[in-house]
Amino acid sequence: EVQLVQSGAEVKKPGESLKISCQAFGYSFTSFYISWVRQRPGKGLEWMGIIYPGDSNATYSPSFQGQVTISAGKSISTAYLQWSSLKASDTAIYYCARHTYCGPSNCGSFDSWGQGTLVTVSS
Amino acid sequence: QSVLTQPPSVSAAAGQKVTISCSGGSSNIGKNYVSWYQQVPGTTPKLLIYDNDKRPSGIPDRFSGSKSGTSATLGISGLQTGDEADYYCGTWDSSLSAVAFGGGTKLTVL
Repeated sequence: EVQLVQSGAEVKKPGESLKISCQAFGYSFTSFYISWVRQRPGKGLEWMGIIYPGDSNATYSPSFQGQVTISAGKSISTAYLQWSSLKASDTAIYYCARHTYCGPSNCGSFDSWGQGTLVTVSS
Repeated sequence: QSVLTQPPSVSAAAGQKVTISCSGGSSNIGKNYVSWYQQVPGTTPKLLIYDNDKRPSGIPDRFSGSKSGTSATLGISGLQTGDEADYYCGTWDSSLSAVAFGGGTKLTVL
Protein backbone atom coordinates (compact mmCIF):
# COMPACT_ATOMS: atom_id res chain seq x y z
CA GLU A 1 0.00 0.00 0.00
CA VAL A 2 1.32 3.41 -0.98
CA GLN A 3 1.70 5.72 2.02
CA LEU A 4 3.19 9.14 2.57
CA VAL A 5 3.84 9.80 6.23
CA GLN A 6 4.62 13.37 7.25
CA SER A 7 6.35 14.72 10.32
CA GLY A 8 4.37 16.15 13.20
CA ALA A 9 2.98 19.59 13.90
CA GLU A 10 5.40 22.43 14.55
CA VAL A 11 5.10 25.68 16.46
CA LYS A 12 7.77 28.23 15.58
CA LYS A 13 8.58 31.89 16.05
CA PRO A 14 9.01 34.33 13.16
CA GLY A 15 12.56 34.23 11.84
CA GLU A 16 13.19 30.63 12.89
CA SER A 17 14.13 27.89 10.45
CA LEU A 18 12.21 24.66 9.88
CA LYS A 19 12.44 21.45 7.87
CA ILE A 20 9.46 19.11 7.60
CA SER A 21 9.49 15.66 6.07
CA CYS A 22 7.42 13.23 4.03
CA GLN A 23 8.48 9.57 4.09
CA ALA A 24 7.26 7.24 1.37
CA PHE A 25 6.28 3.61 1.82
CA GLY A 26 5.01 0.91 -0.48
CA TYR A 27 6.53 1.96 -3.82
CA SER A 28 9.80 2.90 -5.48
CA PHE A 29 10.46 6.38 -4.08
CA THR A 30 12.82 7.38 -6.89
CA SER A 31 10.31 6.61 -9.64
CA PHE A 32 7.55 9.11 -8.85
CA TYR A 33 7.52 12.89 -8.59
CA ILE A 34 6.35 14.45 -5.33
CA SER A 35 4.83 17.90 -4.89
CA TRP A 36 4.25 20.07 -1.84
CA VAL A 37 0.90 21.83 -1.41
CA ARG A 38 0.02 24.57 1.06
CA GLN A 39 -3.39 25.12 2.62
CA ARG A 40 -3.77 28.19 4.77
CA PRO A 41 -6.51 28.15 7.44
CA GLY A 42 -9.90 28.17 5.77
CA LYS A 43 -8.37 28.55 2.30
CA GLY A 44 -7.80 26.43 -0.80
CA LEU A 45 -4.93 24.36 -2.11
CA GLU A 46 -1.79 26.10 -3.40
CA TRP A 47 0.92 24.25 -5.32
CA MET A 48 4.39 25.08 -4.04
CA GLY A 49 6.77 22.97 -6.08
CA ILE A 50 7.83 19.53 -7.24
CA ILE A 51 10.80 17.22 -6.90
CA TYR A 52 11.96 14.15 -8.74
CA PRO A 53 13.59 12.02 -6.05
CA GLY A 54 15.54 10.12 -8.68
CA ASP A 55 17.88 13.07 -9.21
CA SER A 56 16.62 15.56 -6.59
CA ASN A 57 15.78 18.07 -9.31
CA ALA A 58 13.22 20.52 -7.88
CA THR A 59 11.05 23.14 -9.56
CA TYR A 60 9.13 25.83 -7.73
CA SER A 61 5.98 27.85 -8.23
CA PRO A 62 6.95 31.50 -8.81
CA SER A 63 4.99 32.32 -5.66
CA PHE A 64 7.30 30.17 -3.57
CA GLN A 65 10.62 30.46 -5.43
CA GLY A 66 13.25 31.68 -2.99
CA GLN A 67 10.90 31.26 -0.03
CA VAL A 68 11.31 27.51 0.52
CA THR A 69 13.64 24.68 -0.44
CA ILE A 70 12.46 21.26 -1.55
CA SER A 71 14.85 18.34 -1.28
CA ALA A 72 14.90 14.56 -1.04
CA GLY A 73 16.91 11.82 0.64
CA LYS A 74 16.85 8.71 -1.55
CA SER A 75 18.34 6.40 1.03
CA ILE A 76 15.47 6.95 3.44
CA SER A 77 12.71 7.57 0.85
CA THR A 78 11.98 10.99 2.28
CA ALA A 79 11.13 14.35 0.76
CA TYR A 80 11.65 17.60 2.63
CA LEU A 81 10.32 21.14 2.68
CA GLN A 82 12.34 23.74 4.50
CA TRP A 83 12.32 27.41 5.42
CA SER A 84 15.31 29.48 6.52
CA SER A 85 13.27 32.28 8.06
CA LEU A 86 9.61 31.70 8.84
CA LYS A 87 6.93 34.38 8.73
CA ALA A 88 3.52 34.46 10.38
CA SER A 89 2.02 34.16 6.89
CA ASP A 90 3.62 30.69 6.60
CA THR A 91 1.08 29.38 9.10
CA ALA A 92 -0.69 26.60 7.22
CA ILE A 93 -1.07 22.87 6.71
CA TYR A 94 1.52 21.52 4.29
CA TYR A 95 0.81 18.37 2.30
CA CYS A 96 3.13 16.23 0.25
CA ALA A 97 1.47 14.37 -2.61
CA ARG A 98 2.62 11.83 -5.19
CA HIS A 99 2.01 12.38 -8.89
CA THR A 100 0.67 9.48 -10.93
CA TYR A 101 3.16 10.40 -13.64
CA CYS A 102 5.24 13.24 -15.01
CA GLY A 103 6.22 13.39 -18.64
CA PRO A 104 8.37 15.79 -20.67
CA SER A 105 5.66 18.43 -20.75
CA ASN A 106 3.23 17.81 -17.92
CA CYS A 107 2.38 15.94 -14.75
CA GLY A 108 -0.65 13.90 -13.80
CA SER A 109 -2.91 13.88 -10.79
CA PHE A 110 -2.07 13.28 -7.13
CA ASP A 111 -2.98 9.72 -6.23
CA SER A 112 -1.61 9.67 -2.71
CA TRP A 113 -1.37 12.42 -0.11
CA GLY A 114 0.43 12.71 3.19
CA GLN A 115 -1.65 13.40 6.27
CA GLY A 116 -0.47 17.01 6.39
CA THR A 117 1.85 18.91 8.72
CA LEU A 118 0.44 21.89 10.57
CA VAL A 119 2.99 24.67 10.88
CA THR A 120 2.11 27.51 13.23
CA VAL A 121 4.31 30.60 13.22
CA SER A 122 3.59 33.01 16.04
CA SER A 123 5.53 35.28 18.33
CA GLN B 1 -6.55 34.44 -7.55
CA SER B 2 -6.69 30.81 -8.75
CA VAL B 3 -5.78 29.87 -12.31
CA LEU B 4 -8.90 27.69 -12.49
CA THR B 5 -12.34 29.09 -11.62
CA GLN B 6 -14.90 27.19 -9.58
CA PRO B 7 -18.13 28.37 -7.96
CA PRO B 8 -17.54 28.99 -4.23
CA SER B 9 -20.51 26.88 -3.21
CA VAL B 10 -23.24 24.59 -4.50
CA SER B 11 -26.08 22.86 -2.74
CA ALA B 12 -28.69 20.25 -3.48
CA ALA B 13 -31.05 17.95 -1.63
CA ALA B 14 -30.08 14.47 -0.55
CA GLY B 15 -30.66 11.98 -3.33
CA GLN B 16 -30.42 14.61 -6.06
CA LYS B 17 -27.58 15.33 -8.49
CA VAL B 18 -25.23 18.29 -8.48
CA THR B 19 -22.57 19.48 -10.89
CA ILE B 20 -19.48 21.56 -10.12
CA SER B 21 -17.80 23.48 -12.91
CA CYS B 22 -14.14 24.27 -13.38
CA SER B 23 -13.13 26.84 -15.98
CA GLY B 24 -9.62 27.37 -17.28
CA GLY B 25 -7.75 28.22 -20.43
CA SER B 26 -5.90 26.82 -23.41
CA SER B 27 -2.66 26.26 -21.50
CA ASN B 28 -4.20 24.24 -18.70
CA ILE B 29 -7.55 22.48 -19.08
CA GLY B 30 -7.46 22.94 -22.84
CA LYS B 31 -4.21 21.02 -23.09
CA ASN B 32 -4.00 18.65 -20.12
CA TYR B 33 -6.00 16.13 -18.14
CA VAL B 34 -8.20 17.33 -15.26
CA SER B 35 -8.45 15.72 -11.84
CA TRP B 36 -10.88 16.30 -8.98
CA TYR B 37 -10.24 16.04 -5.24
CA GLN B 38 -12.62 15.78 -2.31
CA GLN B 39 -11.64 17.25 1.03
CA VAL B 40 -13.97 16.56 3.94
CA PRO B 41 -13.36 19.25 6.59
CA GLY B 42 -10.39 18.38 8.78
CA THR B 43 -9.12 15.64 6.49
CA THR B 44 -6.62 15.16 3.67
CA PRO B 45 -7.66 15.71 0.04
CA LYS B 46 -8.64 12.52 -1.77
CA LEU B 47 -8.45 11.82 -5.50
CA LEU B 48 -11.96 11.39 -6.94
CA ILE B 49 -11.46 11.68 -10.69
CA TYR B 50 -8.29 11.58 -12.80
CA ASP B 51 -7.60 11.96 -16.51
CA ASN B 52 -10.86 13.92 -16.93
CA ASP B 53 -13.28 11.07 -16.34
CA LYS B 54 -11.61 8.08 -14.68
CA ARG B 55 -12.37 6.93 -11.14
CA PRO B 56 -9.71 5.38 -8.90
CA SER B 57 -10.50 2.06 -7.36
CA GLY B 58 -12.97 2.45 -4.52
CA ILE B 59 -14.63 5.63 -5.76
CA PRO B 60 -18.34 4.95 -6.40
CA ASP B 61 -19.82 5.56 -9.83
CA ARG B 62 -22.02 8.28 -8.33
CA PHE B 63 -19.01 10.48 -9.06
CA SER B 64 -18.33 11.37 -12.69
CA GLY B 65 -16.11 13.75 -14.59
CA SER B 66 -16.13 15.31 -18.01
CA LYS B 67 -14.19 17.87 -20.00
CA SER B 68 -15.04 20.02 -22.96
CA GLY B 69 -12.61 22.55 -24.39
CA THR B 70 -11.30 24.67 -21.53
CA SER B 71 -13.88 23.61 -18.95
CA ALA B 72 -14.45 20.53 -16.82
CA THR B 73 -17.35 19.32 -14.73
CA LEU B 74 -17.68 17.07 -11.72
CA GLY B 75 -21.03 15.36 -11.27
CA ILE B 76 -22.26 13.76 -8.07
CA SER B 77 -25.52 11.84 -8.18
CA GLY B 78 -27.54 10.29 -5.38
CA LEU B 79 -26.22 12.89 -2.95
CA GLN B 80 -25.53 11.76 0.59
CA THR B 81 -24.78 13.80 3.69
CA GLY B 82 -21.32 12.25 3.67
CA ASP B 83 -20.63 14.02 0.36
CA GLU B 84 -20.53 17.38 2.14
CA ALA B 85 -17.00 18.54 1.51
CA ASP B 86 -14.84 20.93 -0.44
CA TYR B 87 -14.13 19.88 -4.02
CA TYR B 88 -11.10 21.03 -5.99
CA CYS B 89 -10.27 20.68 -9.65
CA GLY B 90 -6.64 20.48 -10.70
CA THR B 91 -4.55 20.21 -13.82
CA TRP B 92 -1.13 21.01 -15.22
CA ASP B 93 -0.59 24.46 -16.70
CA SER B 94 1.81 24.13 -19.61
CA SER B 95 2.57 27.86 -19.80
CA LEU B 96 3.44 28.11 -16.11
CA SER B 97 4.97 24.61 -15.89
CA ALA B 98 3.02 24.27 -12.69
CA VAL B 99 0.09 22.50 -11.09
CA ALA B 100 -3.03 24.65 -11.15
CA PHE B 101 -5.90 24.26 -8.70
CA GLY B 102 -9.34 25.75 -8.64
CA GLY B 103 -10.32 27.79 -5.62
CA GLY B 104 -12.55 25.01 -4.33
CA THR B 105 -16.30 24.52 -4.11
CA LYS B 106 -18.12 23.83 -0.87
CA LEU B 107 -20.91 21.31 -1.32
CA THR B 108 -23.86 21.44 1.06
CA VAL B 109 -26.36 18.59 1.05
CA LEU B 110 -29.74 19.90 2.16
